[in-house]
Amino acid sequence: EAQVTQNPRYLITVTGKKLTVTCSQNMNHEYMSWYRQDPGLGLRQIYYSMNVEVTDKGDVPEGYKVSRKEKRNFPLILESPSPNQTSLYFCASTWGLATDTQYFGPGTRLTVL
Amino acid sequence: SQQGEEDPQALSIQEGENATMNCSYKTSINNLQWYRQNSGRGLVHLILIRSNEREKHSGRLRVTLDTSKKSSSLLITASRAADTASYFCATQETSGSRLTFGEGTQLTVNP
Repeated sequence: EAQVTQNPRYLITVTGKKLTVTCSQNMNHEYMSWYRQDPGLGLRQIYYSMNVEVTDKGDVPEGYKVSRKEKRNFPLILESPSPNQTSLYFCASTWGLATDTQYFGPGTRLTVL
Repeated sequence: SQQGEEDPQALSIQEGENATMNCSYKTSINNLQWYRQNSGRGLVHLILIRSNEREKHSGRLRVTLDTSKKSSSLLITASRAADTASYFCATQETSGSRLTFGEGTQLTVNP
C-alpha cells in the first residue's frame, strides 16, 4: 500500500531534550516536506527536500533540522525543543514537483513541557 | 500572512444539503488544490484545478476557479455525515514552487 508513515505518532518531552521524528514514503517520491499545524495558523511548511541531499527552508524553519540521505526517508530533528514547538506535525511527499498532489502522513502530535 | 484564506471558517448543515466553501488568494497562481482533513489526521487530496481551468468535477465535488477575482469555491453536493471534516485550499504561486495552505473551513454535516 502506497503510504507515508511517521513515528512516533504522539510524543511528550521536556525542553532541551533532542528528538527526531521519522518520515518514510514507499512511493519513490522525490519531493518531501514537513509542516506544522497550529490552531488559527493553518499548515505552515518547515522544510522541504527536492531530492536526496537537497533540502531547503520553508516558512518556519527556526529550531528545526532535516536530512535527506535516502530518497524514502526525511527525518525532522529538534535539537533543543522548546514549548513553542508544541504542535501537530505532518510529513508529505509528492512525485516530482511541489505542486503535484501531496500525500500526507498521519501526523505526530508533539508536546514540549 | 496566508496566501489562501477560506471562508467561512465554520459551516454547519443538514445531511442532504449542499456545502459551499470559498478560498481567496493574493498572488498569481499555477494551480489551486483542495484537501480534506479528518480531526487530527493527515490531509487527503481532493482535487486540483489549474490556472487555465474554470471548473472541475469529481464525484460530488465541484470546484470553480476565477483567476480575475483570485478566488475558488468547493461545492459538495448532497452532503453526508461522513463529509464532516476540515477543508483546506492550497495554492502554488507562479513565483515559487511550494504550496501554501489556508487555515481551513470546518464543515459539520448533521445527520
